[in-house]
Amino acid sequence: SSELTQDPAVSVALGQTVRITCQGDSLRRFYASWYQQKPGQAPVLVIYGKSNRPSGIPDRFSGSSSGNKASLTITGAQAEDAADYYCNSRDSNGNRLVFGGGTKLTVL
Amino acid sequence: EMQLVESGGGLVQPGRSLRLSCAASGFTFDDYAMHWVRQAPGKGLEWVSRISWNSAGIDYADSVKGRFTISRDNAKNSLYLQMNSLRPEDTAFYYCAKDIGEGGAVAGTDYWGHGTLVTVSS
Repeated sequence: SSELTQDPAVSVALGQTVRITCQGDSLRRFYASWYQQKPGQAPVLVIYGKSNRPSGIPDRFSGSSSGNKASLTITGAQAEDAADYYCNSRDSNGNRLVFGGGTKLTVL
Repeated sequence: EMQLVESGGGLVQPGRSLRLSCAASGFTFDDYAMHWVRQAPGKGLEWVSRISWNSAGIDYADSVKGRFTISRDNAKNSLYLQMNSLRPEDTAFYYCAKDIGEGGAVAGTDYWGHGTLVTVSS
């Protein structure tokens, strides 16, 4: 299967920890990358590879994976973390990329 | 500073063609594969196409295969997407994105342009 599945919406209290998950067969072979998208803006890469953060991404963002599931964890969520989060990876053939459907994160 | 700037979007009738361009700067363009990703208004991200650094490797999503053609001109630091036989369901913001470039088990894109809107409507 070339699909990646995400929960449509997740909420977290300010300062608490939240985990956003992504599931798909291709995650057994390939790492997920995670993107944050705020309204009217282009997506921003926040995690890639095993748990790498691009320059400028706060260390409260981390990634992990097990089997066919990948997770993005925000430890101590801030109001500015409210956004849509997308995972992506290669498809099962390894040549094409595929995105999850996205998770809308609300920070309460 | 790394920058990707898309252009060429607009309103087009179904069945017609449009060519998108992406001008890259701030990095060694011909070291990296490049992608097009689209997003219909209010919807999620959809990967469209990828081209390797030397144009030897090209892939398309099933939804555009046979209608869209990706290309690049490394001398001009530019990426293109020729879109033919456009359909209303192709209406979306189209983003140009740079591959992370690590290969192996790592997949994804680390820099994105701001996007250009393509509207297919009669």
